[in-house]
Amino acid sequence: AQKVTQAQTEISVVEKEDVTLDCVYETRDTTYYLFWYKQPPSGELVFLIRRNSFDEQNEISGRYSWNFQKSTSSFNFTITASQVVDSAVYFCARALSGNTPLVFGKGTRLSVIA
Amino acid sequence: GAVVSQHPSRVICKSGTSVKIECRSLDFQATTMFWYRQFPKQSLMLMATSNEGSKATYEQGVEKDKFLINHASLTLSTLTVTSAHPEDSSFYICSARSLAGGEADTQYFGPGTRLTVL
Repeated sequence: AQKVTQAQTEISVVEKEDVTLDCVYETRDTTYYLFWYKQPPSGELVFLIRRNSFDEQNEISGRYSWNFQKSTSSFNFTITASQVVDSAVYFCARALSGNTPLVFGKGTRLSVIA
Repeated sequence: GAVVSQHPSRVICKSGTSVKIECRSLDFQATTMFWYRQFPKQSLMLMATSNEGSKATYEQGVEKDKFLINHASLTLSTLTVTSAHPEDSSFYICSARSLAGGEADTQYFGPGTRLTVL
C-alpha cells in the first residue's frame, strides 16, 4: 500500500508559536488528492483542506497554510500563532479520487499550552 | 452543506449482542460511503466500501459476516456489528463522498460512534 507518513507523533508548543506538521506520501499515480483533517478530543473529523496533484499552489486560510511540494512528495501544514483551541490530532491523508477511500497517516497530536 | 450524521454517537452493549450504526448524508446524495475504524490513539483504518444498491467491499482481515453493511438508499448506510465482543470496542466513523454539496469529490465524515462492548 502507498503510505502516508506523519513522522511527528506528538508536538507541544506554547501559545502564539508557529508550528509545522509534516506529511510525506508515497504514490505511483499522476492523479491523486491530499487532505488534512483535524480530530479534536470529541472525535469528529474536521475537514481542513483538499489539494489535487495538479495544483501545487500553496494555500493560506487564516492562520493555516499548506505547502505542497511534489518534488519531495510532501504536503506540510503550518499553523501560525497557535491557540489552545488548535490542540487536536491532525491527520494527513491521500486518495486517488472521491470514489476511493482515504489512506491516513498515523496522525500528529498537537498540544498548545497557554 | 455536506453534513454527515451518525447514530448512535455512543453505545455500550453486552458481549454477544448486535449493534447497528447508521450513517446518513443529510443534504446530499452519496452513492459511495466508507466505514473506518479507529482504535485508541491510532489512525483510521478502512473497513469497507459501501455502494448503494450493491454489496459492500471489505478490506482484508475484516469479516463480512461480522460487520454487515447495508446501503439501501442514496443517503443511508448501516453497519451492524453482529455478536459483538470486547475486542470490537472502537470508534467507528463513516464518510460519504459529496458530488455536489460542499466541496465536490471530497469525503465528509460523520461524527463517529463509540462502541464499548462489556
